[in-house]
Amino acid sequence: DAKTTQPPSMDCAEGRAANLPCNHSTISGNEYVYWYRQIHSQGPQYIIHGLKNNETNEMASLIITEDRKSSTLILPHATLRDTAVYYCIVRVANYGQNFVFGPGTRLSVLP
Amino acid sequence: KAGVTQTPRYLIKTRGQQVTLSCSPISGHRSVSWYQQTPGQGLQFLFEYFSETQRNKGNFPGRFSGRQFSNSRSEMNVSTLELGDSALYLCASSPPPGHQFSTDTQYFGPGTRLTVL
Repeated sequence: DAKTTQPPSMDCAEGRAANLPCNHSTISGNEYVYWYRQIHSQGPQYIIHGLKNNETNEMASLIITEDRKSSTLILPHATLRDTAVYYCIVRVANYGQNFVFGPGTRLSVLP
Repeated sequence: KAGVTQTPRYLIKTRGQQVTLSCSPISGHRSVSWYQQTPGQGLQFLFEYFSETQRNKGNFPGRFSGRQFSNSRSEMNVSTLELGDSALYLCASSPPPGHQFSTDTQYFGPGTRLTVL
């Protein structure tokens, strides 16, 4: 079973920041937080991952609370092309360990 | 660098037939994982191969099998197809240990859409 809880859906206005929350209250010390997104009928796309520090890349920022029980993915300036299902996954960094996907959050970016 | 490629992209089969799907990982990646995605069950892990050996397996019947070749390309086979096998089959590859993404990030291909009639 997925170890994360995400809202089933969210809306965001185009050009505004999209803040997608994820609860992972049972996360272990050696588990990373990964974010992927899936645009309709395409393969999931890797966005970002982190252990305990906040992370930023060209796509998004990942904010992890100090107790690591929750995190927020931030898309700073959402566009219509960011409309997708966003998955938050916690996973031990062991090679061969599969990803367990939950239902994710369906983000709709509105014009 | 080219991404993960999967062939064919679309496939239509009838019940009882068997099917083979192919996956070419990103150059330099040696781990290949397979997932099944259906509207009812979501994304589910099938199996993972590394250096031609199955290293991890999900909870699927024996009709689902796979293999990996020495060049890291992988195939999965489904025998005696059932209507419920209609799904998007996704392949993902991971960089080897020591790569900058040492946490084994998986990169997905576009998938093969299998329809069983």
